[in-house]
Amino acid sequence: GDSVTQMEGPVTLSEEAFLTINCTYTATGYPSLFWYVQYPGEGLQLLLKATKADDKGSNKGFEATYRKETTSFHLEKGSVQVSDSAVYFCALRDNYGQNFVFGPGTRLSVLP
Amino acid sequence: NAGVTQTPKFQVLKTGQSMTLQCAQDMNHNSMYWYRQDPGMGLRLIYYSASEGTTDKGEVPNGYNVSRLNKREFSLRLESAAPSQTSVYFCASSDQHTLTYNEQFFGPGTRLTVL
Repeated sequence: GDSVTQMEGPVTLSEEAFLTINCTYTATGYPSLFWYVQYPGEGLQLLLKATKADDKGSNKGFEATYRKETTSFHLEKGSVQVSDSAVYFCALRDNYGQNFVFGPGTRLSVLP
Repeated sequence: NAGVTQTPKFQVLKTGQSMTLQCAQDMNHNSMYWYRQDPGMGLRLIYYSASEGTTDKGEVPNGYNVSRLNKREFSLRLESAAPSQTSVYFCASSDQHTLTYNEQFFGPGTRLTVL
């Protein structure tokens, strides 16, 4: 079945550091890929998405590129802020059906 | 647009009590979902409804029932609550047929404690 693997946290960075959170997937066909962010005490919010190979999703300084050859969708940000502290979830949607599959989440803490 | 709304926000139950979690969306989405989130476990799908009038089991359906009341509303019922059902419950919706805007939209969650 479909699956999403992402790096286990927690990840602790200093403000203005470079962020990478790795995400790889296993799926049949051509899934859509997503990064969601969950701030403390809140629901999940879509951060960015990509619906086909080589697409780059971007939002709020975060970027991720859909790499079909490596089945990856790594999240990057050049300079993190304290306000980026949250849990980040990589997810896919199987375009053949209803399945959304989420990774386990990576907790990011950014220190001033 | 309110998006996805959930009630209640918090609930404390005693073992054996029953309750219904309510979810509604105003985005005219076909599909709705119920997840639970436990520490270190990520999101696990309980039930989903691909369209009005249909429901299907997800990964962890035992101890729960659902009702797709109409296109807007999808409720989750715990008939006899157990401490193992202490969790945060999220409702989500998506539009199955619009490939461009095919992400899930989430509600704010219900924090349930079963004593």
